[in-house]
Amino acid sequence: DTAVSQTPKYLVTQMGNDKSIKCEQNLGHDTMYWYKQDSKKFLKIMFSYNNKELIINETVPNRFSPKSPDKAHLNLHINSLELGDSAVYFCASSKQGANVYNGYTFGSGTRLTVV
Amino acid sequence: GDSVTQMEGPVTLSEEAFLTINCTYTATGYPSLFWYVQYPGEGLQLLLKATKADDKGSNKGFEATYRKETTSFHLEKGSVQVSDSAVYFCALGKYNNNDMRFGAGTRLTVKP
Repeated sequence: DTAVSQTPKYLVTQMGNDKSIKCEQNLGHDTMYWYKQDSKKFLKIMFSYNNKELIINETVPNRFSPKSPDKAHLNLHINSLELGDSAVYFCASSKQGANVYNGYTFGSGTRLTVV
Repeated sequence: GDSVTQMEGPVTLSEEAFLTINCTYTATGYPSLFWYVQYPGEGLQLLLKATKADDKGSNKGFEATYRKETTSFHLEKGSVQVSDSAVYFCALGKYNNNDMRFGAGTRLTVKP
């Protein structure tokens, strides 16, 4: 029944490794997002896809690469992990017009710790 | 560009105290305004919203009124409970703009 589900919930890995975080939504939404939340709880948008098309690509290192195989899935792959990548990563989804009417639906987050 | 500014936390209150978390915004056009709540270890949940000036959003005893004249959307609750302890985010959205702007978040702790 989970509307926006992310896996894994926790991820501990060593510097230099490559890892992926997966996100799936079963709400029939057209748009999906990746946000990064730092230790002070500040939320920063990273990417947004609408119907598999990249529409927001903020200034993030190119070690981060999103992939959307279909409109229900948006994965985040991170190469050569660094200590500063440690954060909580949230996936979210929305319907068209959600910015005005319905807001976003967020997943429960993936806590990434790079050691 | 569009932005949201929230009062800095943390905010610590005793149970049954009155809560106000200030939020002001800067935006062109006619944004919608939202409050989200993040409980420990969870994602953000939509708490309430207002889509035009003078609208009042309300949910679970929380209220916020969209004030265009003061560009504000302050969150209030008359009597907080321990279970309200969370981080609260004010956010702004505009039609056909997929980049919703979030404030920095305000951590609320309610003590018994």
